[in-house]
Order: sequence, then C-alpha cells, then structure tokens
Amino acid sequence: EDQVTQSPEALRLQEGESSSLNCSYTVSGLRGLFWYRQDPGKGPEFLFTLYSAGEEKEKERLKATLTKKESFLHITAPKPEDSATYLCAVQGYSGGGADGLTFGKGTHLIIQP
Amino acid sequence: NAGVTQTPKFQVLKTGQSMTLQCAQDMNHNSMYWYRQDPGMGLRLIYYSASEGTTDKGEVPNGYNVSRLNKREFSLRLESAAPSQTSVYFCASSFRSSGANVLTFGAGSRLTVL
Repeated sequence: EDQVTQSPEALRLQEGESSSLNCSYTVSGLRGLFWYRQDPGKGPEFLFTLYSAGEEKEKERLKATLTKKESFLHITAPKPEDSATYLCAVQGYSGGGADGLTFGKGTHLIIQP
Repeated sequence: NAGVTQTPKFQVLKTGQSMTLQCAQDMNHNSMYWYRQDPGMGLRLIYYSASEGTTDKGEVPNGYNVSRLNKREFSLRLESAAPSQTSVYFCASSFRSSGANVLTFGAGSRLTVL
C-alpha cells in the first residue's frame, strides 16, 4: 500500500524567510511524485511531477526535489500570495490496479507580511 | 477552457436522501476520478474510470455508485446519504505524461448530511 507523510502540518513564515516542506513516501515502484497547491475553497492546482531520484523542478519561488524516500518543496523568499496548503501525492505500480494518486494530508503554509 | 466542472457546489441533505454529483471535463482526458477530502484525512479516492465504459473502486467506495456516461462525464451517486458522507468531493481527470497520470481537479462540491 502506497503511503505519503507530509511535515510539518503547518508552517508560519515571515515574508522573505525561506524554508522547506517535506514529503516522505513509500510506494511499490514510483510512476510519479506530484506537488499540488490548494487555496481555501478551491480544488488542488498542479505544480510539479517528479519521476526519478535526483530530479529537480522549479517554478518561480518554488523548487521541488526528489530522493528515493522523500521529496522537498523549497520555498525561496516567499510572498504572502504563496500562502496555501501544499499537497504531496504519489502514483505507484500498485497490484490492485488503482489508477489514482495517494495523497498526504498537506502542509498549511502561512506567509506573514 | 473550463477544465473540470462540478455541480452542485453546495448541497445539504437529510439522512437517507439520495443525490448525484455531476462532473464534466472538456480536455479529452481518458481517465476520471472522484475523491473526498475530510479534515485531518487528506484526499481519498472513491472511484475512478480509466476509460469510457469502465469503472473501478478506490480506497473508500462504500455507500457510493458511479457512472461514466461518456468520455466527458463521470457522476457520483449517494443512494442513501449518511452523516459520515459529509465532506468536500472533488472530481478530477487526467492525461498520461511520461508514464504517470497528471490530474486536473474541479472546484469541489461541499456536501452536508444532517
């Protein structure tokens, strides 16, 4: 069974204060690791897919990295508009045939001006 | 493009009532999904459809039925609603990218069962 654990559950930062969010995972063969952003009252919005250990992807102030056991979402010099819940998910080659993603519980990020 | 459209956005039901959540996508995706999101539980897969005419159970299918009406539409039905089904429901569709399915989500449907 695929599992995803995100930490911390919540993080409060000052504007400009860089930090990292963690996603630890276990999966029976990784097809992809995903990062989503979710704003209150809205659906998750796709950010990145990582496919293999060592891969990195960047988008504006966000950078996602991947190892064989975990992924980090690094936030550099964040702004208040980066405040959101960040979700990590994995897709593996599960024997049950389920084609969806397994999600973590998310990290609620607040950036204070 | 509208992407993934869900209706209704909000619904209040009494225990035992039935209802159907509608979902449509205009991205020509083959796969579609229904998730529920509860505080402290994260997103959990209810049912998915890998292609038109096929459906499969996910992690939490009990109490739900689905219909893949055509390639665009995937509905979720609660035959006899229970308070435990109070949740926010998200529909998603996906395309295949380098062997993994990238999901696009709708805005969600908030359901309260009294």
